[in-house]
This record gives sequence, structure tokens and C-alpha cells, in this order.
Amino acid sequence: SQQGEEDPQALSIQEGENATMNCSYKTSINNLQWYRQNSGRGLVHLILIRSNEREKHSGRLRVTLDTSKKSSSLLITASRAADTASYFCATLYRGSTLGRLYFGRGTQLTVWP
Amino acid sequence: NAGVTQTPKFQVLKTGQSMTLQCAQDMNHEYMSWYRQDPGMGLRLIHYSVGAGITDQGEVPNGYNVSRSTTEDFPLRLLSAAPSQTSVYFCASRDRDGRYEQYFGPGTRLTVT
Repeated sequence: SQQGEEDPQALSIQEGENATMNCSYKTSINNLQWYRQNSGRGLVHLILIRSNEREKHSGRLRVTLDTSKKSSSLLITASRAADTASYFCATLYRGSTLGRLYFGRGTQLTVWP
Repeated sequence: NAGVTQTPKFQVLKTGQSMTLQCAQDMNHEYMSWYRQDPGMGLRLIHYSVGAGITDQGEVPNGYNVSRSTTEDFPLRLLSAAPSQTSVYFCASRDRDGRYEQYFGPGTRLTVT
């Protein structure tokens, strides 16, 4: 399977703490994307990082990419209860002419007030 | 913009029944996809379409049919429902730009008894 793998599967923290989740993938990518899914809802795109980028920021989100290790991390700073959701990485592999994304199994983040 | 809409939200079928899950988008996106989401499995691609009249199989196509007669609509048909098709189904669309960011519908929760 070409799926990425998120780690950990579940993460539980207090409000105000930082949350870090990781994604590992298998072959060379064009870009890697992170999505959030609130319970019972569809996925929402958060941030995209291209293979030639090492770090990107968007508000309280920071994504890093290490292509030599084939891994990415998503950091959410100063977490809020509203950040409680599942987070998925999705990879666009190099040479994918139709833009097919491969989704991992997700990290379930719970932020306690 | 309504984005990506799916109907119904919930459906219960008996084994052997057929039904169509509806998906529509109003963003003039060429690419549309159907995924299923099962606990611990992440999202798996069922079928996708790169434009009106053009469809292809994903990684779990068996038991499902699709067609794409217009840019806006991409229905998913279950010809003879089986309990293994109990899942949450998501439709997604994206533009043909180089980012490949996907927009997801709210999902249809299907139970086959």
C-alpha cells in the first residue's frame, strides 16, 4: 500500500499545550498535505508543503518535511479544545499524473479544557 | 458556493438492495473522487473521474459503479449491497491546478444489514 502512516494513533493533551503528530511515507513525493476531520464531518484541508520546502507555517500550525527520512510533522501550538479532531496526512507521489492522494490512517487528537 | 454536497446523510439498506449515493459540486472542478472510510483504515479510493465522461477505478472498486455525465455530478451506485459495504462514504473534488488540494463533502453513513 502507498498509504502514509501517522504516529501516534491517538494523542491526549491539555489546552495550551503543543501537539505534535508525525507522518511517514514510502516513496518520493511531489507534495504532502494535512487534513483535519471533526467528528461526523468531512475532511478539511489545512496546509500543503511541497517536496522542495522544509517548513511552512499557517497560524498556529507548523509543518516540517524531511525528504531524506520520508517524514513530516504537524505541530499545533497552544492547543484549544476546538482542535479536538482527527488529523490525516496525504501524499501526492512524484509521477502521479492524475493527482491521486494517498491518505494515512490518522491521529486522533483530544484536547482537554 | 455550497461546495461539495452529498445526499443522503444516513442510509440503511438490506443485503442485496441497490442505491445511489449522490455527490454534486458547484466549483467547476474537473476532478472528483469517492472514498470510503472505515475504522482504522483511513480513506480508501473507490473510483475517480478526471472530467465528464471519464472515470477510473481506485483501490477498492468492487461492488461500486460510477458515471460522470456532467462536471457537477458524480453519483456512486451500489448494485447489490453487502454488509462489507457498511462504511462512511466521502465525495471529494479538486481543481486541475498543481496543488491537488481536495474539497470534501460531509459524508454519507451507510449501514447494510
